[in-house]
Amino acid sequence: QVQLQESGPGLVKPSETLSLTCTVSGASIISNYWSWIRQPPGKGLEWIGDIYFRGTTDYNPSLKSRLTISLDTPKNQFSLKLSSVSAADTAVYYCARSLYYSVASPWDNWGQGTLVTVSS
Amino acid sequence: EIVLTQSPATLSLSPGERATLSCRASQSVSTYLAWYQQKPGQAPRLLIYDDTNRATGIPARFSGSGSGTDFTLTISSLEAEDFAVYYCQQRSNWPTFGQGTKLEIK
Repeated sequence: QVQLQESGPGLVKPSETLSLTCTVSGASIISNYWSWIRQPPGKGLEWIGDIYFRGTTDYNPSLKSRLTISLDTPKNQFSLKLSSVSAADTAVYYCARSLYYSVASPWDNWGQGTLVTVSS
Repeated sequence: EIVLTQSPATLSLSPGERATLSCRASQSVSTYLAWYQQKPGQAPRLLIYDDTNRATGIPARFSGSGSGTDFTLTISSLEAEDFAVYYCQQRSNWPTFGQGTKLEIK
C-alpha cells in the first residue's frame, strides 16, 4: 500500500522560504510522477508542480519564479521549496502520486496534508 | 490557463436521490478530466479519471460522462457518506481545478 507523508515547519515568516518534504513508502520514487498541491483554508485546490524520472519538473506558471521541487532518491523522498512567501501562501500542502506514468495522469494517492501558516 | 466552472455551487439533496454535478471548461480538455471527493479535514479522493473511468474501490453509483468542454458527475442514489465537496480537474495542459460543488443533506 502506497503511503505519503508531508513534513516540515507549520509556521513560516513572511519573505522567508517554505520547505516541505514528502516521504513515500510502498512505491519507488523513480517510478511515478509526484506532485505538490495546496489548498488555502476554506478554498479550492491549486496545483503547485510535478517532479518525475531523473528530476524533471513542471511548475505552475504563477509560482515558477519562487519554486523548486527536488528528488532525494536514496531516501525515497521529494521536496518543495517556495521562496519569498506571503500570507497568500498560507494553505494545507498535499503531496500526491500520479495514477499512471504520464503528465496527463490524475492523482490516486495523497498525503494527509500539512497546514503551513505564513505569519510574523 | 484552462478555467473549469462547476455548477451548482451547492446542491441540497436527500439520501436515495440522484445527484448531477456539472463541470464546464473554457476550452477543450480532450479526455483528461478527473473528479475528486473531499470531506472536511481529509485529502481529496480520486473518483473518476479520463472522463469515465472509476478509480479503484469507487462504487458503481458514481459515474462520469462528457467530452470536450462539458462534463458531468452522476451519483445514482445518494448515500450518507456521499455528502462532501466535489472537484473536477483537468490536465490537458497544466493542471487546474474547478471551484467545487458542495453536496449537502437536504
